[in-house]
Amino acid sequence: SYVLTQPPSVSVAPGRLATVTCGGNNIGDKNVHWYRQHPGQAPVLVIYDDVERPSGIPERFSGSKAGNTATLTIRRVEAGDEADYYCQVWDANLVSEVFGTGTKVTVL
Amino acid sequence: EVQLVESGGGLVQPGGSLRLSCAGSGFTFSDYWMSWVRQAPGKGLEWVANIKQDASEKFYVDSVKGRFTISRDNARKSLFLQMDSLRGEDTAVYYCARDIQTGSWSPTPSAYWGQGTSVIVSS
Repeated sequence: SYVLTQPPSVSVAPGRLATVTCGGNNIGDKNVHWYRQHPGQAPVLVIYDDVERPSGIPERFSGSKAGNTATLTIRRVEAGDEADYYCQVWDANLVSEVFGTGTKVTVL
Repeated sequence: EVQLVESGGGLVQPGGSLRLSCAGSGFTFSDYWMSWVRQAPGKGLEWVANIKQDASEKFYVDSVKGRFTISRDNARKSLFLQMDSLRGEDTAVYYCARDIQTGSWSPTPSAYWGQGTSVIVSS
C-alpha cells in the first residue's frame, strides 16, 4: 500500500510561519491535497492539486512540492490555525485514496 | 448551500450489519464523485470507499473489501454504505464527502463534508 508520512507535531509561535511536510514515494507524480481538522469537527480542504486554494481559504495557506515531499505552509499563524492537518493523494495504480498520518499544529 | 447529512450510525455487535445514509442538498448530486471517510477514536482519517457519478466505478480500501458496499441513488440525492460482518476495528465516525470537481472521470479531493455519524462495534 502507498504510505504518506507526516511529522506527528509542529509547534509555532503566533505570527510566525509553520510548515507541515508530507513524504511519499513518487509523490511528484500525484496531486497532493491538504485538510485541516479542528477537534470534534469535520475536515476542511485547505489546499488541492498541490498549490490551489479553495474559495474561502486565506492566502496565508499555500502548498508546494519538491522531490518526494509536499509541504503545507501557513504564514502569520493565528490561534485558530491550531488543528490537525492531513495530506492526501489519489493513487491511480492502487485505485485508492490515501491520507497522511496527520500532523498536530500547536500555536504556542 | 451545499449540505451533507449522515444518518444510520449506532451500536452494533461484532458480525452485525449497519446501513449508513447521506442526504445531499444544495448541489446537483449526480454530477459528483462521492466518498465515505472514517476516523477511529483518537486516530487519523482513513478513506473507506468512493463511487463515480453514475455508480459505474466503485473503489474500496482493502480492509473493507467484501464486507462494505457503497451505493447511491441520484434521484433521491443519497449516498449509502452497507456495512456487513462488522469488526471492532470498524468503530469510527463515518463522514460522507463530496468531490470538489463536477463531471470528473476520476476522483478529486473532497470539498464538502458532513458532520459524521458514529459507529460503535462492541459486544
